[in-house]
Amino acid sequence: GAVVSQHPSRVICKSGTSVKIECRSLDFQATTMFWYRQFPKKSLMLMATSNEGSKATYEQGVEKDKFLINHASLTLSTLTVTSAHPEDSSFYICSALQGGTSYEQYFGPGTRLTVT
Amino acid sequence: GENVEQHPSTLSVQEGDSAVIKCTYSDSASNYFPWYKQELGKGPQLIIDIRSNVGEKKDQRIAVTLNKTAKHFSLHITETQPEDSAVYFCAASPSGTYKYIFGTGTRLKVLA
Repeated sequence: GAVVSQHPSRVICKSGTSVKIECRSLDFQATTMFWYRQFPKKSLMLMATSNEGSKATYEQGVEKDKFLINHASLTLSTLTVTSAHPEDSSFYICSALQGGTSYEQYFGPGTRLTVT
Repeated sequence: GENVEQHPSTLSVQEGDSAVIKCTYSDSASNYFPWYKQELGKGPQLIIDIRSNVGEKKDQRIAVTLNKTAKHFSLHITETQPEDSAVYFCAASPSGTYKYIFGTGTRLKVLA
């Protein structure tokens, strides 16, 4: 089946630094990927839709200058949290659309970000 | 925009019993409704989905029903097993987009 990976699985960074999270579709090409944020015991909140070769579409309330998304190839999207602060600590999950007429999103295993 | 509500937030059942989780959505144009299972510290995994032109879908012990008129859909798990214990999320996909709006989640605990 379709597999999506994320790297790293866990990252700890100091306040004020930036951190990059990678999302890869391993066995299919994904023209569209999504980035979600999940707080402990909460639901997944969509942050942005990432389309290959074009600018990401951010959901209302998400700072595009803080959460930089790049989708440079059909198998890779990256999320960079810039000037991270403790309140950015969260579980970040990506998903990918296989394309065609399928609505199914394949989710990555998530990245736990802790900002100290 | 679309809003999805999910109930109950927690559910405990005895092994072998059935579990039912319900969701309602606000956008009548939404046309795809997946259910995901999430285990602690992992990404969600699709367990079943249904499109708006179908009223019911079943896959072994799992079934989903959709009532478009009432704008609600439900997940039914029969013969529950301890390994069914997890958090379950419903979602709706607004027509014309491929994005998901998730419900608030249900923590299911199956007691052995």
